Amino acid sequence: DTGVSQDPRHKITKRGQNVTFRCDPISEHNRLYWYRQTLGQGPEFLTYFQNEAQLEKSRLLSDRFSAERPKGSFSTLEIQRTEQGDSAMYLCASRPGAGYEQYFGPGTRLTVT
Amino acid sequence: GENVEQHPSTLSVQEGDSAVIKCTYSDSASNYFPWYKQELGKGPQLIIDIRSNVGEKKDQRIAVTLNKTAKHFSLHITETQPEDSAVYFCAASLGGSYIPTFGRGTSLIVHP
Repeated sequence: DTGVSQDPRHKITKRGQNVTFRCDPISEHNRLYWYRQTLGQGPEFLTYFQNEAQLEKSRLLSDRFSAERPKGSFSTLEIQRTEQGDSAMYLCASRPGAGYEQYFGPGTRLTVT
Repeated sequence: GENVEQHPSTLSVQEGDSAVIKCTYSDSASNYFPWYKQELGKGPQLIIDIRSNVGEKKDQRIAVTLNKTAKHFSLHITETQPEDSAVYFCAASLGGSYIPTFGRGTSLIVHP
């Protein structure tokens, strides 16, 4: 059994560059969530997919952020023109359709220099 | 929107003692309350949850209580062990999308 995986685990980028993160949910989990977590805070919701449909987006998700889940399996989160304030841990979680428990991946730590 | 307050921010106990973490929420419509444990460098791990139609739930050394009237819920850990040391987050969510609002976390330190 494999849990939620995320790639890369760490990313260092220069301000202004674009970055893309990938999340592979637990197989057959049709719900997928992205969160951002900064030091000393709980995870903050960014966006939510049911299958390939993006159903909800937080106001935290500015125009520079875009997420996709083509075919309803893995998902990508892209940040364009990164800013130092984007430095955080980006977490992905998945949930089965019939349950409400979310299973988190290990996260991608982004550092913008 | 929902607002979740969590206290204390840091909790230091001796091995074998009990630990209690408390949370309050603002939206009376919230009906699902999970608790997560996060170790350094890892993603949060669900340890116990409770739905609004239940007042208490227990799983070995861990228990959660919910008071819907007062809109607060608590995590109780008995017989703490050093491996319980971690950051614990409470959350509240509403059915449907079950998008949780998290508290700011409690850093639990268990001294051997």
